[in-house]
Amino acid sequence: LAKTTQPISMDSYEGQEVNITCSHNNIATNDYITWYQQFPSQGPRFIIQGYKTKVTNEVASLFIPADRKSSTLSLPRVSLSDTAVYYCLVGGATNKLIFGTGTLLAVQP
Amino acid sequence: GAVVSQHPSWVICKSGTSVKIECRSLDFQATTMFWYRQFPKQSLMLMATSNEGSKATYEQGVEKDKFLINHASLTLSTLTVTSAHPEDSSFYICSATPQGNRGGYGYTFGSGTRLTVV
Repeated sequence: LAKTTQPISMDSYEGQEVNITCSHNNIATNDYITWYQQFPSQGPRFIIQGYKTKVTNEVASLFIPADRKSSTLSLPRVSLSDTAVYYCLVGGATNKLIFGTGTLLAVQP
Repeated sequence: GAVVSQHPSWVICKSGTSVKIECRSLDFQATTMFWYRQFPKQSLMLMATSNEGSKATYEQGVEKDKFLINHASLTLSTLTVTSAHPEDSSFYICSATPQGNRGGYGYTFGSGTRLTVV
């Protein structure tokens, strides 16, 4: 199972774009990269998933370079409600999910 | 979309008693479910993998006799904390993915159960 490394915390202001980078040097060929968001006392919520290049949905974008050893979650124009912990995970279908430390994003007014 | 329901959302019990937590996949079948524990300001720690119709697989350091897992159907897994003690107080979360999920990793998580042992 690929181990992931993320910054422990990040600060931002409302309206800014936030980019959170995750390192996963040991990612396997069949591994996908998935990001989750967690608010206090709630279960993690799926944000986005990708395998290579760029993926975009209604809430975020995920950038994955060609070597796939890292990935960047991009949140456009964050608001106070985006304050949460963001987890990056890698693995293939049916792999058990091993969570790293996550990144605590604090959005200020 | 895939929905996982977890019940109860919170429970307070006396030390020495047992508590059962249910995890249901509402609109899909899941041969595998996962149970996590999360202490305040910490990440999720995987406790065990629940397999439908077979014994659960526990992570190293997790007492299988204390945390009993039953996955009797494709939509229900239960975690029973036996003889609970205050140190078992934590936030317990389950997750599941639709059976046959391929090409991805999109697991759905329950809303969690806050267990407080007094």
